[in-house]
Amino acid sequence: GAVVSQHPSRVICKSGTSVKIECRSLDFQATTMFWYRQFPKQSLMLMATSNEGSKATYEQGVEKDKFLINHASLTLSTLTVTSAHPEDSSFYICSAPWTSGGARENEQFFGPGTRLTVL
Amino acid sequence: EDKVVQSPLSLVVHEGDTVTLNCSYEVTNFRSLLWYKQEKKAPTFLFMLTSSGIEKKSGRLSSILDKKELFSILNITATQTGDSAVYLCAVGDYKLSFGAGTTVTVRA
Repeated sequence: GAVVSQHPSRVICKSGTSVKIECRSLDFQATTMFWYRQFPKQSLMLMATSNEGSKATYEQGVEKDKFLINHASLTLSTLTVTSAHPEDSSFYICSAPWTSGGARENEQFFGPGTRLTVL
Repeated sequence: EDKVVQSPLSLVVHEGDTVTLNCSYEVTNFRSLLWYKQEKKAPTFLFMLTSSGIEKKSGRLSSILDKKELFSILNITATQTGDSAVYLCAVGDYKLSFGAGTTVTVRA
């Protein structure tokens, strides 16, 4: 149990276009999901916290108008990179914490990641 | 600002060696410390530690947390080439702060 999927796994787009990435919790409900970005040879950097039914919370330095987050249901959060530029090329990963109690409380389940390349 | 520091940044060992990875932290809200292994994809979960002094083991891997000194270690014994990866330490509440990772290379 506790599987998180992401779609697409890889996307290549032209500069100036928008790209939507989906993150789904397949067998549990996630009122909160997290979006991370990872550049080559660097660690995961938290971009934003996605909250079901309310606005996302962005980390310092992350442009909320550029990285649009929608948490439309208890199992789906989407990240849209608007007007993408080559510097947005990165590995985007979502995660969802287990919040239903028990020994797995707070364990984060990661999606497989989406590799975005902007030409 | 939350801080998670991992050391060493990288190391190279030979198969059969033992490695010890360190993670120290200063965070505002602590609920747990997690270790992940990352190869060329998203991180995979290794351990979650919430209490001091209780060692968690999984095969050749083990980890322990010291909440007084604010650090954790991850041990890998009898290393194999398949252990080559980046090992990430993450600390926090539901919101995690990640360390920079330790790159482990195991040579045959």
